[in-house]
Amino acid sequence: GESVGLHLPTLSVQEGDNSIINCAYSNSASDYFIWYKQESGKGPQFIIDIRSNMDKRQGQRVTVLLNKTVKHLSLQIAATQPGDSAVYFCAETPDSSYKLIFGSGTRLLVRP
Amino acid sequence: IAGITQAPTSQILAAGRRMTLRCTQDMRHNAMYWYRQDLGLGLRLIHYSNTAGTTGKGEVPDGYSVSRANTDDFPLTLASAVPSQTSVYFCASSAAGNTEAFFGQGTRLTVV
Repeated sequence: GESVGLHLPTLSVQEGDNSIINCAYSNSASDYFIWYKQESGKGPQFIIDIRSNMDKRQGQRVTVLLNKTVKHLSLQIAATQPGDSAVYFCAETPDSSYKLIFGSGTRLLVRP
Repeated sequence: IAGITQAPTSQILAAGRRMTLRCTQDMRHNAMYWYRQDLGLGLRLIHYSNTAGTTGKGEVPDGYSVSRANTDDFPLTLASAVPSQTSVYFCASSAAGNTEAFFGQGTRLTVV
């Protein structure tokens, strides 16, 4: 069943194209920034993280970019596939505790 | 299968009733979390626990309580449910200092 809202911003991309999902954050003191993927009816799943002293990190088909000057985080997905269709959330660790705070989500739709 | 288990999967609850959502993990993770996910609002942290015996308040703790008597279990209690607590509740866990949190399948709670 549907587990996320109907009012999330939506990014629609053609299968095979690259996707860029953006997130703005407010806490400059956060140590880590993280991307999670949530498929319909499931809990979020970890994709990739980046420490605050880095500006780029690459994984398998994904790249996370961190711009601390404008407090902006982005997730780039190369060669987007139908299985990438989901809601993507950014998250951060705001202090020395293990709290994980989620930001706004973006729905990614992949057109065949 | 190792992971994190929530119970019940769904529940309809009369307003004013007390309810405990159960969460158990078998990964020996130190940190555990409870989130609620409402339509259009993403995930909001209710309470968290860094280790057995300690708990902390998240973004939206009012109306909820938690306990962490041991490493594996992290129950969430609604003392007197109200309709605004209608939501999907996710429990998660992570190893100490690790940004990769593992989520349960969620509990869909409807308070009427």
